[in-house]
Amino acid sequence: DAKTTQPPSMDCAEGRAANLPCNHSTISGNEYVYWYRQIHSQGPQYIIHGLKNNETNEMASLIITEDRKSSTLILPHATLRDTAVYYCILSYNFNKFYFGSGTKLNVKP
Amino acid sequence: EAGVAQSPRYKIIEKRQSVAFWCNPISGHATLYWYQQILGQGPKLLIQFQNNGVVDDSQLPKDRFSAERLKGVDSTLKIQPAKLEDSAVYLCASSQDRGPLYGYTFGSGTRLTVV
Repeated sequence: DAKTTQPPSMDCAEGRAANLPCNHSTISGNEYVYWYRQIHSQGPQYIIHGLKNNETNEMASLIITEDRKSSTLILPHATLRDTAVYYCILSYNFNKFYFGSGTKLNVKP
Repeated sequence: EAGVAQSPRYKIIEKRQSVAFWCNPISGHATLYWYQQILGQGPKLLIQFQNNGVVDDSQLPKDRFSAERLKGVDSTLKIQPAKLEDSAVYLCASSQDRGPLYGYTFGSGTRLTVV
């Protein structure tokens, strides 16, 4: 069952950074934070994951607070193609993923 | 690397009829998952296979849903008889083992409409 809390929707101007928050106050020590996104009519797509250190890849950055109770996904320069539903998921032992309702990010011109 | 293939892409059936969905995972991926995604909600895990054995089917409505993965490769998900509330997108995903660092790869799904 989903153990994360995300705002249902957010807006972002094209070219600006999109900062998507996620609350996971009951996270356990061996749970990773994963982020996926789902563009309309497609399956979810992996973005990034982390345990306790901040992570960066070609798509995004993941900032995890020191107490690990929350995290933020950062899309540095949002484009219209980044309009999607973003899911924050906890997973231990890389086993099953339980999706919540996610955040609908609307990138506007 | 080819992605996860699913078919059909769309299916419309009447309630009480049966339907089957097919999934071909990425070559070499031992673990296969079926998810149900109702409009406006996140995907819900139905069943997880490791090779051709079931690891978790606790959320599968076994009175009407069944799934199999013969020879540890392709998988089929069946609904019989279908109900109106089964209208959803059925997503298949696969992973290299029980815990790749890069999570799953999802297919594009089969959109089922029960009328």
